[in-house]
Amino acid sequence: GENVEQHPSTLSVQEGDSAVIKCTYSDSASNYFPWYKQELGKGPQLIIDIRSNVGEKKDQRIAVTLNKTAKHFSLHITETQPEDSAVYFCAASRGTGNTPLVFGKGTRLSVIA
Amino acid sequence: DADVTQTPRNRITKTGKRIMLECSQTKGHDRMYWYRQDPGLGLQLIYYSFDVKDINKGEISDGYSVSRQAQAKFSLSLESAIPNQTALYFCATSETGTGSDEQFFGPGTRLTVL
Repeated sequence: GENVEQHPSTLSVQEGDSAVIKCTYSDSASNYFPWYKQELGKGPQLIIDIRSNVGEKKDQRIAVTLNKTAKHFSLHITETQPEDSAVYFCAASRGTGNTPLVFGKGTRLSVIA
Repeated sequence: DADVTQTPRNRITKTGKRIMLECSQTKGHDRMYWYRQDPGLGLQLIYYSFDVKDINKGEISDGYSVSRQAQAKFSLSLESAIPNQTALYFCATSETGTGSDEQFFGPGTRLTVL
């Protein structure tokens, strides 16, 4: 089955700097890669996702890149703000809707003002 | 009102007790999921259901059972709770046929087994 590795487990950045979180996956048939943000005391919430037919997707300060050959994908947050502090999870699935997501173990991001 | 609700939000119980965690949704989604979250271990899938008559085991189903009473309700049971089931439990929903695989999570239930 699918296995998703996520690094780093914790990340501290100064406000205004960029943050990068990386994930690798094992199932070459996976084609859907979402990123979820979990704020303290809440459930995870989707912030961006990418499918294997594109290599990059942006949404304001957030971007995700995908390298299918190397089987890794990354989340990039630019101009970080204190409200970006949260736990971020990557995930992967075959995207058919019939195979569930497999999540990475999470990255705790702290943005220091 | 929240679209995905979980009850209770917090529960403390003793080893050997039977516990039921409930999830309800008003989103009209057909798919529902139960996850367990432990520190440093991410989200692990316990069970999932694609419609009322469909139940599937996830990565860590041992020691758990589920019931899909209606499209809007999905319950998770621990028949005989043990301390290593102490964790944060999340219910989630998604919808088939929209072109989106987004899952919508409830606020979580914190379970402590003494």
